[in-house]
Amino acid sequence: DSGVTQTPKHLITATGQRVTLRCSPRSGDLSVYWYQQSLDQGLQFLIQYYNGEERAKGNILERFSAQQFPDLHSELNLSSLELGDSALYFCASSVATASLTGELFFGEGSRLTVL
Amino acid sequence: GDSVTQMEGPVTLSEEAFLTINCTYTATGYPSLFWYVQYPGEGLQLLLKATKADDKGSNKGFEATYRKETTSFHLEKGSVQVSDSAVYFCALGLRDTGRRALTFGSGTRLQVQP
Repeated sequence: DSGVTQTPKHLITATGQRVTLRCSPRSGDLSVYWYQQSLDQGLQFLIQYYNGEERAKGNILERFSAQQFPDLHSELNLSSLELGDSALYFCASSVATASLTGELFFGEGSRLTVL
Repeated sequence: GDSVTQMEGPVTLSEEAFLTINCTYTATGYPSLFWYVQYPGEGLQLLLKATKADDKGSNKGFEATYRKETTSFHLEKGSVQVSDSAVYFCALGLRDTGRRALTFGSGTRLQVQP
């Protein structure tokens, strides 16, 4: 158990809909990262928050947004969903800057299926 | 941009066979290198890391050496077990404060048969 909790574990929805994925980081971790894992594109970095502030953006679509709340949990909002958004969405956390320490703690992921 | 290239899988081996999973990288800075492992139904977890050239990371019988001259970080294990069946990801991280997330390769699935 990594200590990172993601909900829901599975989600099935239709094209055009909006969903929210939730992540609770490990106790004491200030950084939260969102990654998308799909069969054809591997593990893609979406966005990072540190102590409530956005710190880095990766390949995140404009239809997607995220935020980190004062209690450090984070939500990833996906809107106007398309079939291609079907993927496994991972949240990871770290104490500070992951690239310096390498230690990212991953949740078990939220599997999104868009029909 | 920064990138990590891994050998395509799946890699299928018999128990006790020798494992090599190739990983090469491209980076504009001086990266730290990592191997993560994802067991079925679980998230990724750090397997080993190396932060400078010629460093060797090791854990659970797995090893990888940071080779700056060949920009490589190949994962090896002398004798694999069925329990090693998983997806292995090579990753890099840069100390540049503007790029804080790890960049992952596409993953290599390892299947070990009894």
